Amino acid sequence: GAVVSQHPSWVICKSGTSVKIECRSLDFQATTMFWYRQFPKQSLMLMATSNEGSKATYEQGVEKDKFLINHASLTLSTLTVTSAHPEDSSFYICSALKGTRSTDTQYFGPGTRLTVL
Amino acid sequence: KQEVTQIPAALSVPEGENLVLNCSFTDSAIYNLQWFRQDPGKGLTSLLLIQSSQREQTSGRLNASLDKSSGRSTLYIAASQPGDSATYLCAVNEGGATNKLIFGTGTLLAVQP
Repeated sequence: GAVVSQHPSWVICKSGTSVKIECRSLDFQATTMFWYRQFPKQSLMLMATSNEGSKATYEQGVEKDKFLINHASLTLSTLTVTSAHPEDSSFYICSALKGTRSTDTQYFGPGTRLTVL
Repeated sequence: KQEVTQIPAALSVPEGENLVLNCSFTDSAIYNLQWFRQDPGKGLTSLLLIQSSQREQTSGRLNASLDKSSGRSTLYIAASQPGDSATYLCAVNEGGATNKLIFGTGTLLAVQP
């Protein structure tokens, strides 16, 4: 199997606080993980590519100082939304690449619903 | 810049109908294309993956085709059921060193019992 988990599944926080979201590959090692954001009734937008042991690669328009990504092990990547504001409220989904080739499959987590009050 | 579009944005059909969802992409240099299903408030379930060298893939009542040169893919669902109601997303893999998936805009499907 290829199972990816996310924690928490939902979180509500006050404006100005920081929130950490975890993404774990449960039964395989993932050198590369991806973080996506999905606004209501919209598609997934790639935020950043997380590589184990190195700095994340951010997509254009994504603030690296606001969305901190750490990929400290082959089974865990974390996304920290710093000084969250209501406009950061969204559905955050991670995926983990099983393999290292371009044709390998990404396995997706169940998502984390973030609501910033 | 790769852009992926899905038509229609929403579709409602009676149970038992066969239906086709469309996906188009602007850059034909892709490694593969994948179809996903997303239930409300949930993550993604991979349905079918077509490699760039393939023309189609089948799984049960689902059949996906790929015409890379014209930048199009279709997802055919046979004998639709209410349980098929969900949002269907296609995504192209640009490959290379990044393995990035570019997602389409999605089709919201409702199958009426």
